[in-house]
Amino acid sequence: TQLLEQSPQFLSIQEGENLTVYCNSSSVFSSLQWYRQEPGEGPVLLVTVVTGGEVKKLKRLTFQFGDARKDSSLHITAAQPGDTGLYLCAGVSQGGKLIFGQGTELSVKP
Amino acid sequence: EAGVAQSPRYKIIEKRQSVAFWCNPISGHATLYWYQQILGQGPKLLIQFQNNGVVDDSQLPKDRFSAERLKGVDSTLKIQPAKLEDSAVYLCASSPRTGLSGANVLTFGAGSRLTVL
Repeated sequence: TQLLEQSPQFLSIQEGENLTVYCNSSSVFSSLQWYRQEPGEGPVLLVTVVTGGEVKKLKRLTFQFGDARKDSSLHITAAQPGDTGLYLCAGVSQGGKLIFGQGTELSVKP
Repeated sequence: EAGVAQSPRYKIIEKRQSVAFWCNPISGHATLYWYQQILGQGPKLLIQFQNNGVVDDSQLPKDRFSAERLKGVDSTLKIQPAKLEDSAVYLCASSPRTGLSGANVLTFGAGSRLTVL
């Protein structure tokens, strides 16, 4: 069974701080996706990383896929209250199935 | 482009009652998914349809859950009888890809929140 472990599960920081969320697995994935989910809404795709070692930037968010395609990280620079939400990583298996981690609940206080 | 529509948004029932959720995917999307998201956890796939055929229902509790997508467009997820542990948000998502290779790009609906008392 493929599992994805996210850490930390909860993160509460002040506006302007930096943070990193980790997504780890013992399994290899063909690609990995990061989603953000706000209360009362469904997850919204932020990025897909495909190649081992790949780094993608989305404004203040930096996503990295591990060289072995088993892990990923999300780094947010100078966090803002609007970044508050549940961040989910999802591994895509060879068969195209999406397996979600348990999520990281981020709270950014002004 | 209209998003994925789900209804009802909220439902409260007593255990052993039945409930049904409806989903209308993005027009033209061949693949439809139902996920269960328990509070504090990530979404768990219940069932995946490709047009009107089932691709994956390995994690669907078939003794109480059923789903159909008769005309390959909208879909219904039913729970009968409901248990306390079924309290969760039921998310519907759709995708234009077959999912056989490469990354899927899923668009999620806002979800249906079920509370079983």
